[in-house]
Amino acid sequence: ETGVTQSPTHLIKTRGQQVTLRCSSQSGHNTVSWYQQALGQGPQFIFQYYREEENGRGNFPPRFSGLQFPNYSSELNVNALELDDSALYLCASSTTGAPYEQYFGPGTRLTVT
Amino acid sequence: DAKTTQPPSMDCAEGRAANLPCNHSTISGNEYVYWYRQIHSQGPQYIIHGLKNNETNEMASLIITEDRKSSTLILPHATLRDTAVYYCAIIQGAQKLVFGQGTRLTINP
Repeated sequence: ETGVTQSPTHLIKTRGQQVTLRCSSQSGHNTVSWYQQALGQGPQFIFQYYREEENGRGNFPPRFSGLQFPNYSSELNVNALELDDSALYLCASSTTGAPYEQYFGPGTRLTVT
Repeated sequence: DAKTTQPPSMDCAEGRAANLPCNHSTISGNEYVYWYRQIHSQGPQYIIHGLKNNETNEMASLIITEDRKSSTLILPHATLRDTAVYYCAIIQGAQKLVFGQGTRLTINP
C-alpha cells in the first residue's frame, strides 16, 4: 500500500509569485484535503476535493485554488504569494463515509521572501 | 467550529503511561474525535479516533467522557520515540479536521 506523497519537499518563492504544490493520495483513497500549518500552530483546513470538485472550503481567499485529477491526485495553487503564506502545506487523503479517517503526507515547506 | 483545548506541554517518564487530555465541549453528536502526533514538522501521524465508546489499538487508548465534552489519549508505556506534538482534532461535516494548538509531550529517560 502506497502512502500519501507530496512534492516538492521544500520551496522558496518571492512575494507576488505563484506556486503549485502536488499530492498523490494513498491507494484506495478518493478524497484529498489540503491544510496549511504555520510555525507553532495546528494545521488549518484549506479545502477538500472529491470527484474532481471542491467539496468544502475553509477560511482562505480565492487566490488559494486546487484541482483533483481522475487518478485522485491533487494540486494546490497559490497566486500572488504573500509573506504570511510561508508555512508547511499538508495534503491528506481519505475515503468517503464515516469515520472519514484522513492520512497525511510529509508536507511541502513553502518559504516566501 | 468546534474547538479543542489542550495543555501546551507535558512531561512523562520513559516506561510510564502518558495521559494527554483534550477538551471539546462544543462537539456535536455526530462528530468524531481524532488524535494525531507530529514529529519534527513531518506530516501528522494518525493515532486513533472515536465517537462515543472508548477505543484501543496497537498505539494507544482513547477514553471519551460520557458527555463527550472531553477525551484522554493514553500511551500505555511511553518510549523516547513518543516525544512529539500531539493534536486532538474534531472532524466536521465529513470534510475538515479542526485542530487545537497541540500538546508538546516530552518523554524523559
